[in-house]
Amino acid sequence: EPEVTQTPSHQVTQMGQEVILRCVPISNHLYFYWYRQILGQKVEFLVSFYNNEISEKSEIFDDQFSVERPDGSNFTLKIRSTKLEDSAMYFCASSFGGLNTEAFFGQGTRLTVV
Amino acid sequence: GDSVTQMEGPVTLSEEAFLTINCTYTATGYPSLFWYVQYPGEGLQLLLKATKADDKGSNKGFEATYRKETTSFHLEKGSVQVSDSAVYFCALSERTGNQFYFGTGTSLTVIP
Repeated sequence: EPEVTQTPSHQVTQMGQEVILRCVPISNHLYFYWYRQILGQKVEFLVSFYNNEISEKSEIFDDQFSVERPDGSNFTLKIRSTKLEDSAMYFCASSFGGLNTEAFFGQGTRLTVV
Repeated sequence: GDSVTQMEGPVTLSEEAFLTINCTYTATGYPSLFWYVQYPGEGLQLLLKATKADDKGSNKGFEATYRKETTSFHLEKGSVQVSDSAVYFCALSERTGNQFYFGTGTSLTVIP
């Protein structure tokens, strides 16, 4: 069964460093998403991406964040200068699109900023 | 704006007990509604969905009915098993490619 894969599963980084979280969405999907879940809190939307551009983003997705689909298969989330409060589980998701279709989520990358 | 309100946890049940996890939503249009499950150490998996009023989604013995009049999508299972221990998230989505709005999640532990 096709699945969304994310790497790494866990990343530890020092405050102020740049990190790139990687995702391989399901191959025929058209919409891509990043969500995050701070420990014990709600799953929060960060950004959606369609047709090689951001289609929607939340207030959380500020200038420190960027997304890219560099090669037609990977979908990356970059955080330029990490802060302690960026520590969270980051989920990538993809969907085929069309009304009423569900999103398929990856296993998540746990980011720990120290 | 759109939002999902979910029953607070954690919930602890004995095996074979009846489960209800309440979920209500606020939406400006006619959303699709979803239940996702997160098993320990894993990502979010779709459990079931309903796309219009009075639809019933079902999977693995779980059911939820889309109630427009009460703006609810409560999750039920008649007889839970230890393997159902997980965190359950209610979610909605309004448009193609639109973001999903999640509830806070309800942690379920089933004890033998």
